[in-house]
Amino acid sequence: EIVLTQSPATLSLSPGERATLSCRASQNINSFLAWYQQKPGQAPRLLIYDSSNRASGVPARFSGSGSGTDFTLTISSLEPEDFAIYYCQQRKSWPITFGQGTRLEIK
Amino acid sequence: EVQLLESGGGLVQPGGSLRLSCAASGFTFHNYAMNWVRQAPGKGLEWVSAVTGDGVSTYYAGSVQGRFTISRDNSKNTLYLQMDSLRTEDTALYYCAKVMSNYAPFDNWGQGTLVTVSS
Repeated sequence: EIVLTQSPATLSLSPGERATLSCRASQNINSFLAWYQQKPGQAPRLLIYDSSNRASGVPARFSGSGSGTDFTLTISSLEPEDFAIYYCQQRKSWPITFGQGTRLEIK
Repeated sequence: EVQLLESGGGLVQPGGSLRLSCAASGFTFHNYAMNWVRQAPGKGLEWVSAVTGDGVSTYYAGSVQGRFTISRDNSKNTLYLQMDSLRTEDTALYYCAKVMSNYAPFDNWGQGTLVTVSS
C-alpha cells in the first residue's frame, strides 16, 4: 500500500499570504496525484488532478506540482474561503490512498 | 448537473448488516467507475471500494475486504454497498464518488450517509 504523508499537519496563515502544502508518497507514483479541499460539513471538492491540472471551476490561485514521490499544492494568495482541510490522493496502484490532511487555518 | 444522493445509513449493532445506496443522475452512469469513501468522525478520508462502469471488476480496501460488497444497477443508475459483519470502527460518514476518468480522481461526491455501529 502506498502511504501518503502530508505536511505540515496544520498551517496558520493570513489572507493574502502564500500557502505551500506538501505530500510525500512512500514510493514512486509518477504524476498520479490529486488534491481535494474539504470545508466543515461539506463533501470534498477536487482541486487538482494528475499533479498539476486544475479541475473545472478551480481558481487560478491554486496550483500543483511534483512527480515521483514529492508533490506540492500552492495557493498563491489566500482568500478567506480557502481556509479548510486539504487532502492528497494517489491513483498509481490499489488501494487508492489519501494523505492524512493538512488543516489550513487563519492566523 | 451531476447529482449523487446516498441513503441507507443508520444505527446498527456490531455484527449487523446495512445496505447503502447512491442514486446518480446528470451523467451517463454506466460509463464511469464509482467509489465509496468514508470519513470517521473528526478523521480523514478513507477509500473503501470501487466498481467499474460495467460492474464486472471490484476493488476493496483491506479493512473491509470480505465484509463489504460493492455493486451497481446500471438500469437504475444506482450504486450499492452491502456491509456485513459491521464493527465499531466502521462508524463513519459514507460518500459515493464518481470518477473523472479511469479509477480516479473523484470529480463529484454526494453529501454522505452516516453509519453508526454501536451496541
